[in-house]
Amino acid sequence: DAKTTQPPSMDCAEGRAANLPCNHSTISGNEYVYWYRQIHSQGPQYIIHGLKNNETNEMASLIITEDRKSSTLILPHATLRDTAVYYCIVPDRGSTLGRLYFGRGTQLTVWP
Amino acid sequence: NAGVTQTPKFQVLKTGQSMTLQCAQDMNHEYMSWYRQDPGMGLRLIHYSVGAGITDQGEVPNGYNVSRSTTEDFPLRLLSAAPSQTSVYFCASSPLQGANEKLFFGSGTQLSVL
Repeated sequence: DAKTTQPPSMDCAEGRAANLPCNHSTISGNEYVYWYRQIHSQGPQYIIHGLKNNETNEMASLIITEDRKSSTLILPHATLRDTAVYYCIVPDRGSTLGRLYFGRGTQLTVWP
Repeated sequence: NAGVTQTPKFQVLKTGQSMTLQCAQDMNHEYMSWYRQDPGMGLRLIHYSVGAGITDQGEVPNGYNVSRSTTEDFPLRLLSAAPSQTSVYFCASSPLQGANEKLFFGSGTQLSVL
């Protein structure tokens, strides 16, 4: 299964773009990259996922490098409510469908 | 639409007691799973199920049992609680649609074992 590496913490000023990096250098050709976030004490929340093309939805944008070895989650206008732990995940396809392993993620702090 | 519902929200047990954490989803999802989260740690997969009657182990299955008799319910049983099982437990579900593995999480159960 592909492993991911994220910085343990980042901060960002309110209203500015938050760019959260993730390395997944052992990703296979058919493995997707998923992003979730967890606001304190709550269950994780799905944000976005992608395979090779850049993706955008109402919450964020996902930029995947051409070699697919890294990606960046972009929150275009961060707010205080975006303070959370952000997880970059590549599902384990070696055994069965749907097993997502969450690491420690990146603690994003948005300050006023 | 309730989504994923976990009960109870809080529970305190004594060492050796048994209990069941309940998880129910009303989205007709085939896939359900249980995670535990310890302070300062990410989520670790305990058990998962890809459909009624089918379960499998995750990263940290010891001390926990699961069953899946219906699509809607996926209870997690602690047979003999230990202090090491003090944690926050999250249940999640997802439709099995190829590579679409968007998980929906419950609000969690905070368990303390004394």
